[in-house]
Amino acid sequence: DVKVTQSSRYLVKRTGEKVFLECVQDMDHENMFWYRQDPGLGLRLIYFSYDVKMKEKGDIPEGYSVSREKKERFSLILESASTNQTSMYLCASTSFLGADIEQYFGPGTRLTVT
Amino acid sequence: GQNIDQPTEMTATEGAIVQINCTYQTSGFNGLFWYQQHAGEAPTFLSYNVLDGLEEKGRFSSFLSRSKGYSYLLLKELQMKDSASYLCAVRSNDYKLSFGAGTTVTVRA
Repeated sequence: DVKVTQSSRYLVKRTGEKVFLECVQDMDHENMFWYRQDPGLGLRLIYFSYDVKMKEKGDIPEGYSVSREKKERFSLILESASTNQTSMYLCASTSFLGADIEQYFGPGTRLTVT
Repeated sequence: GQNIDQPTEMTATEGAIVQINCTYQTSGFNGLFWYQQHAGEAPTFLSYNVLDGLEEKGRFSSFLSRSKGYSYLLLKELQMKDSASYLCAVRSNDYKLSFGAGTTVTVRA
């Protein structure tokens, strides 16, 4: 059974704190993605990665950075958390191979910044 | 950039049929996905269309017209467990997915 896991389901942080969100997949997928989901806005892509040590900005990268040191792990970093980063964060992975076309999502981390 | 539109909400009766439309304007097209998302849970894959036409999978079907930038998801024989948000997403040539805001479907007894 394919699996994408995220380090926390719920997280509460203070403004200005550095926040790490971890994502691990066990499917040997090349591509990994970080989204945030807000009511009325849908899922918006923050960053993605095609391979180890590679990263590309998505649609809303400001205030975030990422790290991909190993193929199975993709980390999202909030250098200095702000209240407007309160959101649901979803990690996903997919393969380049044609037979496996869908993006598999993790369970999500609901982050509250106070 | 990508522009993907779908209705915000739909309500239907148990046993009925509901059609969720999705229109898109994208720079590069490499397939259209539909995902189902129950409240508080991660999206789960429903269907994928890359060629024009209808794809049927049990009670769910998805249609694509690339020339019109249009897709729909058809849910038949609605059940209470089908109450969820349905997300339309377009994949561009670099494997990025762009999502619509989602359609919340409420099934009533």
